[in-house]
Amino acid sequence: NAGVTQTPKFQVLKTGQSMTLQCAQDMNHNSMYWYRQDPGMGLRLIYYSASEGTTDKGEVPNGYNVSRLNKREFSLRLESAAPSQTSVYFCASSVVWGYTFGSGTRLTVV
Amino acid sequence: DQQVKQNSPSLSVQEGRISILNCDYTNSMFDYFLWYKKYPAEGPTFLISISSIKDKNEDGRFTVFLNKSAKHLSLHIVPSQPGDSAVYFCAASGTNAGKSTFGDGTTLTVKP
Repeated sequence: NAGVTQTPKFQVLKTGQSMTLQCAQDMNHNSMYWYRQDPGMGLRLIYYSASEGTTDKGEVPNGYNVSRLNKREFSLRLESAAPSQTSVYFCASSVVWGYTFGSGTRLTVV
Repeated sequence: DQQVKQNSPSLSVQEGRISILNCDYTNSMFDYFLWYKKYPAEGPTFLISISSIKDKNEDGRFTVFLNKSAKHLSLHIVPSQPGDSAVYFCAASGTNAGKSTFGDGTTLTVKP
């Protein structure tokens, strides 16, 4: 029972570099989400996908793009990383309410 | 404007006593509320939830109370155990089911 798998777990980028965070779930959930968590703060929604083929912006979408590749996979792309994007990124999936989260990707942009 | 607020950043209780974590919300369109627990270096895990049509939901040592008129919910843990030490997040969803808004979290420390 893998649940939600995120890769990589850690990443250091230089300002201006690009990268894609990968997320896959094996629970046949329709909905998937990307959140970021900054120190001392809650989770803020970046993008979500209510079902395969659909994506919508969340609270803090600027600087990010997403792809719902299929029902299992939902990736988050940073086209030109900035120090303000230093954060811990969590992917989650759900049927309706109650998320299953991945273990997170700790991203540092220098 | 933060729609879900957890005004206590931290809470410390003795093992065996009750822990009460509080959460306030401002958006009257929220109709489903959830609590998550998070250990360091792990993702949050779903703990308990409550629909707006109820005022109480219980699961073992965990009980969530909802006061819609006050836009307030609380999580009670009885009895508290050292393994309960974690960050607890309150979250709220509207009719668009899954999309949730989170509070900033409360760090609970249960002392042996």
